[in-house]
Amino acid sequence: GQQLNQSPQSMFIQEGEDVSMNCTSSSIFNTWLWYKQDPGEGPVLLIALYKAGELTSNGRLTAQFGITRKDSFLNISASIPSDVGIYFCAATYNTDKLIFGTGTRLQVFP
Amino acid sequence: GAVVSQHPSWVICKSGTSVKIECRSLDFQATTMFWYRQFPKQSLMLMATSNEGSKATYEQGVEKDKFLINHASLTLSTLTVTSAHPEDSSFYICSALGAGGNDRYGYTFGSGTRLTVV
Repeated sequence: GQQLNQSPQSMFIQEGEDVSMNCTSSSIFNTWLWYKQDPGEGPVLLIALYKAGELTSNGRLTAQFGITRKDSFLNISASIPSDVGIYFCAATYNTDKLIFGTGTRLQVFP
Repeated sequence: GAVVSQHPSWVICKSGTSVKIECRSLDFQATTMFWYRQFPKQSLMLMATSNEGSKATYEQGVEKDKFLINHASLTLSTLTVTSAHPEDSSFYICSALGAGGNDRYGYTFGSGTRLTVV
């Protein structure tokens, strides 16, 4: 079946550093979404991407829809302690069903 | 913005009993609802998709007789874990799709239910 491979699996960074994570697949998608999940909570949408090559920002977050439609990345600039959590990519292709990536666990140290 | 209320947030039950989890869209009509299961330190795995008034569609490997899904109205879907066993212990999350969400694609997730079967 379709899979989204997300890397890195975990990151331990210092406050103020920039963060980059990506999501790749062997399948083509026409929508990429990035979510953040806090412990014991449901995922919250960060950024949505709808066109190949699209680059979208949301505050300190920037995400891009890969030109091949098989990948996407998320960057977080100047990380702060509240950025701690698990980040998931998700994607869909001509269907309502979302496929989730394997997740990147982010830890920010002061 | 769109809100999905999921209840209960956590539940502990004895092995062999059944547990019902509710998912309500509070300010919009959810034409489709999705149920996910998430084991510790793992991703969200789609269990089933339900459309209002019709039978749910289950993903491969998910037992439809064990995980009963009802989507009787445009604002309520329920997941019942029947004859629960310890291996059913997990974090269950619903997601509603419909008009009214802030994001163009309209997915809104509930806050999840932590099920522990003892």
